[in-house]
Amino acid sequence: DGGITQSPKYLFRKEGQNVTLSCEQNLNHDAMYWYRQDPGQGLRLIYYSHIVNDFQKGDIAEGYSVSREKKESFPLTVTSAQKNPTAFYLCASSTGQQETQYFGPGTRLLVL
Amino acid sequence: DQQVKQNSPSLSVQEGRISILNCDYTNSMFDYFLWYKKYPAEGPTFLISISSIKDKNEDGRFTVFLNKSAKHLSLHIVPSQPGDSAVYFCAATSGSNYQLIWGAGTKLIIKP
Repeated sequence: DGGITQSPKYLFRKEGQNVTLSCEQNLNHDAMYWYRQDPGQGLRLIYYSHIVNDFQKGDIAEGYSVSREKKESFPLTVTSAQKNPTAFYLCASSTGQQETQYFGPGTRLLVL
Repeated sequence: DQQVKQNSPSLSVQEGRISILNCDYTNSMFDYFLWYKKYPAEGPTFLISISSIKDKNEDGRFTVFLNKSAKHLSLHIVPSQPGDSAVYFCAATSGSNYQLIWGAGTKLIIKP
């Protein structure tokens, strides 16, 4: 079964702690994306990567970091510099630019 | 500055009738538009898309209409079914661009 997996489904972060959200895809897609969704709002782009070993900042990259060492993996680290990290985080992938993006099930991050 | 606007936060429609969801955009460079459906605590799923060279695209019960002069698109669902109850997002992109710009979503409620 081809698809995108995100783990964990729920994640708790303590103050001052970095946490990493996992995103894996077996669709052989070149491009991968991280979005954040807050209640009553659309999706906002954090980072995207169109090819291995390269990634670009989106609209709200501050306080986040990513890596793209493998085509199928695009982990997102929420650093302690992100002051309001509580949100629903969505990972997506696509074959390329202006192509349909396919989403994982999401990770809900909560701050303790 | 919201480049993609969905002005109706929610819409209630009787089962079997037509649901019409609207989306307006401000950036005349947008040339590809997508509609996604999202259930709570899940990732969005792709529904239908349209290129700016067309004014209509149809897929089963779903039809998207694009009015470039008015910078307006709409999604028609006929007939509406209970499983259509979800939040619908409109998204747009331009040229050789990896970024999708998202509306805030419209919550569709199908009444039995």
